[in-house]
Amino acid sequence: DTGVSQDPRHKITKRGQNVTFRCDPISEHNRLYWYRQTLGQGPEFLTYFQNEAQLEKSRLLSDRFSAERPKGSFSTLEIQRTEQGDSAMYLCASSLGGTRGQPQHFGDGTRLSIL
Amino acid sequence: GENVEQHPSTLSVQEGDSAVIKCTYSDSASNYFPWYKQELGKRPQLIIDIRSNVGEKKDQRIAVTLNKTAKHFSLHITETQPEDSAVYFCAASPNNNDMRFGAGTRLTVKP
Repeated sequence: DTGVSQDPRHKITKRGQNVTFRCDPISEHNRLYWYRQTLGQGPEFLTYFQNEAQLEKSRLLSDRFSAERPKGSFSTLEIQRTEQGDSAMYLCASSLGGTRGQPQHFGDGTRLSIL
Repeated sequence: GENVEQHPSTLSVQEGDSAVIKCTYSDSASNYFPWYKQELGKRPQLIIDIRSNVGEKKDQRIAVTLNKTAKHFSLHITETQPEDSAVYFCAASPNNNDMRFGAGTRLTVKP
């Protein structure tokens, strides 16, 4: 399977703990995006990378959130000191680069539940 | 930044009827408009997209129209089938940067 893969699929943790998610994009895609989706809503943009450079961050991405893509391949999203409001599906997507809009292909997501 | 509004939030049609979902966007720089289908518990799947230099695009039973002047675009599904039941999201993206999604339309096709 050469699609976008995310790990883990589900994460349950207690409030205040740190969590880290991983995303492996489609190999030839140099753009990688993180989104958050809550029930009944569309995906909300969090941040994106072109290769290893983080080019944009949403104001939704508080200082408890940090994302990395150190070698321009896989990416990690870390949430520190988790709060109840962090419970959501975290989706990763990847696309080709360039200035023209490109289809973004999504992974299955990581569902985070904060107890 | 871009703001995308989508309606209706729910849509119920009889099998074989047509379904239309409409979206508006605010950023005139947006030039790429994809539509995604998301079934319960699954990833969003791209079903069709359109660029700002095109007014209409069709793929079998699915078509999308774009009105750049009015800043709105629509998804049309003809001859609906029960397997078309899902949540559909529109999105808008300027220059292949961040993509903004609508809130989604839950489509139910009754057999």
